[in-house]
Formats: sequence, C-alpha cells, structure tokens
Amino acid sequence: AQSVAQPEDQVNVAEGNPLTVKCTYSVSGNPYLFWYVQYPNRGLQFLLKYITGDNLVKGSYGFEAEFNKSQTSFHLKKPSALVSDSALYFCAVREGGYQKVTFGTGTKLQVIP
Amino acid sequence: DAGVIQSPRHEVTEMGQEVTLRCKPISGHNSLFWYRQTMMRGLELLIYFNNNVPIDDSGMPEDRFSAKMPNASFSTLKIQPSEPRDSAVYFCASSSGTGGTDSNQPQHFGDGTRLSIL
Repeated sequence: AQSVAQPEDQVNVAEGNPLTVKCTYSVSGNPYLFWYVQYPNRGLQFLLKYITGDNLVKGSYGFEAEFNKSQTSFHLKKPSALVSDSALYFCAVREGGYQKVTFGTGTKLQVIP
Repeated sequence: DAGVIQSPRHEVTEMGQEVTLRCKPISGHNSLFWYRQTMMRGLELLIYFNNNVPIDDSGMPEDRFSAKMPNASFSTLKIQPSEPRDSAVYFCASSSGTGGTDSNQPQHFGDGTRLSIL
C-alpha cells in the first residue's frame, strides 16, 4: 500500500529566507509524487510533480522539489519565502498503474514578515 | 478555462435532511474524485470515477452516502439522512488519464462545499 508522511504540522520561516517542507513516501512500485497548496476557503492547487528523470523538479510560484530515491523523500523548497506563500501544503503519492492518490496530512507554512 | 465547479459553496441544514452536493468537472477530464476534509481526519478520498464508472468507493463512510455520475460533465454526492458528524468541507476534483500509464496527471480541485449539519 502506498503512503506519504509530512512530519511537521507547521513550519515557520522569516520572509526572504529559504523554506523547506518535508515529505517522505512509501510505495512498492515507481512513485508519482505531487505537491499541492491550499489557501483558506479554496481547493487544493497543483504546484509540481515528479514522474521520472531529473531529481530536481521546478513548479509554480518559484517552488521546486527534490526527489531522493534512497531516502524516499520529496521535500518542497523555495529559495526566498514570501508572506503570500503562507498556506497549507500537501504532499501526495500515486503508485504507477493506479489512479488513486494518497495525500499527506498537510503542513501549515507560516512566513513571518 | 473554467475549473471544477461545485455547488452550493455553503450548505446549512438540519440533521435528518437529505443533502445533495454537485460537481461539474473540467471538460475532457475522465476521472472524478470526491474528498472530504475535516480538521480531525484531514483529506479523505470518498469515491472516484473513471469514464463515469465508480472504481473505488471504499472511502464512503456509510450507506447514507451515495455518489453518481450520470454523464461526463456532472456528478452528485448525496447524504441521506444527514448527521452532525457529516459536517465538513467536501471537494470534487477531476483529472485526465485513465490510470495506468496515464496516472501522472495532477488533480484539479473545486473550491469545495462547506457543509454544516445542525
């Protein structure tokens, strides 16, 4: 069975500093990995995905994520945080061959001015 | 482009009443998902359809919940009778692809229906 873990309920970072939101996964086959962001009273919005190829994936709004197969991790990163990045971030995994996606519990990112 | 459209955005009703939530997926998408989000349980997949056919309804909590997709552009999630513990935000999402090698497509979410059962 596939699973994903987001070990931090909340991450606080100062505006302008780099940010990292952590995610680890478990699948028996090849993983398809996703990051989504949710703003208050809105649905989840797709940020980026890893399917295959380059381990560093670039996505929307300056975010990127690094796939690490040996550590089964897919951490979300941004070089310089903005106050407007404050939101709830979800990591998700889908095992190749299946349509069902498993979402993590979410990490609240708070960027402090 | 129009995204996933859900209605109503808010619903307040009394316990025991029937509740119907509606979803219009993105045109051309052939997979549709219903989720429920609460503080306690996070985001839960209730059911998903592929080409209008229910594929996995193992997340549907009870027989009080039912979902239909009569055509490619419309789906409903019905709760009958409703209970206070059903209060949550319900999301609909759609994606292209049919699973298998197409399963790398992201899901596109609507803005949800906030349901309150009194």
